[in-house]
Amino acid sequence: DQQVKQNSPSLSVQEGRISILNCDYTNSMFDYFLWYKKYPAEGPTFLISISSIKDKNEDGRFTVFLNKSAKHLSLHIVPSQPGDSAVYFCAASEGGGADGLTFGKGTHLIIQP
Amino acid sequence: EAGVTQFPSHSVIEKGQTVTLRCDPISGHDNLYWYRRVMGKEIKFLLHFVKESKQDESGMPNNRFLAERTGGTYSTLKVQPAELEDSGVYFCASSQGGFYGYTFGSGTRLTVV
Repeated sequence: DQQVKQNSPSLSVQEGRISILNCDYTNSMFDYFLWYKKYPAEGPTFLISISSIKDKNEDGRFTVFLNKSAKHLSLHIVPSQPGDSAVYFCAASEGGGADGLTFGKGTHLIIQP
Repeated sequence: EAGVTQFPSHSVIEKGQTVTLRCDPISGHDNLYWYRRVMGKEIKFLLHFVKESKQDESGMPNNRFLAERTGGTYSTLKVQPAELEDSGVYFCASSQGGFYGYTFGSGTRLTVV
């Protein structure tokens, strides 16, 4: 029973365009959502997060949108750069983020020149 | 500031043997987490320490897995006896109190043959 779903295993985007990564969840008790970025042979790196009391959080080129009624969140990267090529994981928590996280399977983002 | 350190980075053992993974969190981080990613699947939560106490071990697969954090500093995760399905990448992460985004280590790739 997967509580966090990333239905696109991979996504290819041209450099300079917008990358949109999607994530759906089923557990209505989740109150904190995060995106992590992972390069091969490295651990996940925290990218951006959002609390369930907000619907948008922005940090530079990265924006996360949360639609609680649809149980859906998305990560927008604009403009996309070659260094953004990585696997992106969506994660969620019930305890405000201090407890264990539930991860999705990840989306491999490929930025094409 | 040193990051989260895990060793070994790789381990290949035979089914039935014992393996001990080690994690050194960032100095001063009371929260320490263990996660596991089986090939191509999501990163799954195993357990959470607050200092030397197990806050949540609901993700531990079975009693072949034993985690310790003596003195509230480094942590070890022992698998005894190892089975084929234990293969995967084991990640450790640490954080300060509250939530500031976990810092993950690079992981230990465990292969059981």
